[in-house]
Amino acid sequence: EPEVTQTPSHQVTQMGQEVILRCVPISNHLYFYWYRQILGQKVEFLVSFYNNEISEKSEIFDDQFSVERPDGSNFTLKIRSTKLEDSAMYFCATLSGYTEAFFGQGTRLTVV
Amino acid sequence: ILNVEQSPQSLHVQEGDSTNFTCSFPSSNFYALHWYRWETAKSPEALFVMTLNGDEKKKGRISATLNTKEGYSYLYIKGSQPEDSATYLCALNQAGTALIFGKGTTLSVSS
Repeated sequence: EPEVTQTPSHQVTQMGQEVILRCVPISNHLYFYWYRQILGQKVEFLVSFYNNEISEKSEIFDDQFSVERPDGSNFTLKIRSTKLEDSAMYFCATLSGYTEAFFGQGTRLTVV
Repeated sequence: ILNVEQSPQSLHVQEGDSTNFTCSFPSSNFYALHWYRWETAKSPEALFVMTLNGDEKKKGRISATLNTKEGYSYLYIKGSQPEDSATYLCALNQAGTALIFGKGTTLSVSS
């Protein structure tokens, strides 16, 4: 069964450092999303990406965040200068078009 | 920007209670409506993908209905159990566009 792979599974970083979270989507998928869940809080939408550009982003997705597909396969979320409040589980989701979305297992980001 | 609205935002019920949530969406250019369950610290899992007006789907104690003309879908849980505690996300697929997720309904079931 196809799956979405996220790396790393857990990342610990110091406040102010840059982090890059990686997602390998299912090969024929065209739409990509990032979500996060801060411990004990609700799931939050961050950004959607299609045709090599952002199609929608939330108010959380400020200038500290960026997304790209650097090599046409990986889909990355970069946080330029991490803050303590960025600590969360980050999930990538992908879909081909009109089927269900497939989610990765998530990256637990801990900012210290 | 399309708006997919879910209500309530959160819900707390007792074990054994039945409950339902609503997902509202623009009815134009409708293609499909998805429901996902997202348990804390796990990946979301797809529950249903519905495409036809009047569709009703069932998976165990969970069922969903769809009204594409008026732009809403209901998710029902019969006899809630603590393991049903999760965030339930709906997502709209319009023709030719990406999937738009609602903000979710967080269900808490206490025993």
